[in-house]
Amino acid sequence: DTGVSQDPRHKITKRGQNVTFRCDPISEHNRLYWYRQTLGQGPEFLTYFQNEAQLEKSRLLSDRFSAERPKGSFSTLEIQRTEQGDSAMYLCASSPPDGSYNEQFFGPGTRLTVL
Amino acid sequence: AQKITQTQPGMFVQEKEAVTLDCTYDTSDQSYGLFWYKQPSSGEMIFLIYQGSYDEQNATEGRYSLNFQKARKSANLVISASQLGDSAMYFCAMREGGPQGFQKLVFGTGTRLLVSP
Repeated sequence: DTGVSQDPRHKITKRGQNVTFRCDPISEHNRLYWYRQTLGQGPEFLTYFQNEAQLEKSRLLSDRFSAERPKGSFSTLEIQRTEQGDSAMYLCASSPPDGSYNEQFFGPGTRLTVL
Repeated sequence: AQKITQTQPGMFVQEKEAVTLDCTYDTSDQSYGLFWYKQPSSGEMIFLIYQGSYDEQNATEGRYSLNFQKARKSANLVISASQLGDSAMYFCAMREGGPQGFQKLVFGTGTRLLVSP
């Protein structure tokens, strides 16, 4: 049984660099979510995909952030021109199309540190 | 406005005792869902229990139960017979809208539970 996977698990970058994270949801889960979690806080919603369509974006998702899910399977989250305030854990979650209450299954997260 | 409030930053409990983690919520929707997740130091969020707004019975999953008081807008998590492995952060979350709609979860700030031998 394969859960949600994320790659890389850790990323250290210098301010101004671009970074890209990947999320592989549980197979047959058509819903995919990205959240960001800063130290001492709960996760905050960033964006939501249903199949390949990005249906919702938080205003937390500035122009420097872009997410894709080109074939409705894996998703990527890119941050351009990183800033120190982008340092956080980026969590991906997926849920099935026919769940009775749509529990979201989370991946292990990608911890980003911007120096 | 904050939608999920967890007022206990930290809780301590002895092994084998029960503990209650508090959660209050705010929504104007009639249909919503409440979740509890556990986050160990490894970082991943582990689903524990769910309560729908129309569910008449309190949810239970093994040692976890959810004390749902709709009029008070509270959804407290009760862990019975605590184990050392229960030491972790616990997050209460709410999904607004029905289960077939848009699925954004709003999380509280969490409660850190420490179980001592």
